[in-house]
Amino acid sequence: GAGVSQSPSNKVTEKGKDVELRCDPISGHTALYWYRQRLGQGLEFLIYFQGNSAPDKSGLPSDRFSAERTGESVSTLTIQRTQQEDSAVYLCASSLSDYLTDTQYFGPGTRLTVL
Amino acid sequence: GESVGLHLPTLSVQEGDNSIINCAYSNSASDYFIWYKQESGKGPQFIIDIRSNMDKRQGQRVTVLLNKTVKHLSLQIAATQPGDSAVYFCAAPWGGYQKVTFGTGTKLQVIP
Repeated sequence: GAGVSQSPSNKVTEKGKDVELRCDPISGHTALYWYRQRLGQGLEFLIYFQGNSAPDKSGLPSDRFSAERTGESVSTLTIQRTQQEDSAVYLCASSLSDYLTDTQYFGPGTRLTVL
Repeated sequence: GESVGLHLPTLSVQEGDNSIINCAYSNSASDYFIWYKQESGKGPQFIIDIRSNMDKRQGQRVTVLLNKTVKHLSLQIAATQPGDSAVYFCAAPWGGYQKVTFGTGTKLQVIP
């Protein structure tokens, strides 16, 4: 079956512009996660959705970052007034549920470059 | 949250040799650990996991060892192949569910 997909694969934008990144999780997966990966770094947790519960936004670095998810489907991560330090690969993952040992399946990521 | 780290940023091994990638963690309450493999241009891929009630777990050509006394885990890859070239991350969920903290990663380079 289809895995996690993300679009666009690459995004180049100018400083100060808003960007929207999309994630399509695996069908039936109730949990969805966004991570940020700076060049040569590990993954940094941003936000987590589980079903219809309130999302855990504790990893969002500033109020310029926001994310939405409609039910158990597509999620969008929005970065407003982008800054150069926002340049990174943004990874989305989904899992069957949020049970500790449910495997997270990652998408290929969106590479964001802010000029 | 959990803090995990890798001892070596880059590891070069000869094809056919065994590889050992190490990782240290800080939270002694962590009870579940995961190893991921990330190939260039792709998202991380689950390799193997281990619960804290285990010292060792084996998969296909991979073994994870957990030493809770010194808060250290390792990933062993047997008969390393060129396709094993990637960055390997150890990770530990925290926050009661799968909010995962990843280490910086070790880049494994396989020399043909």
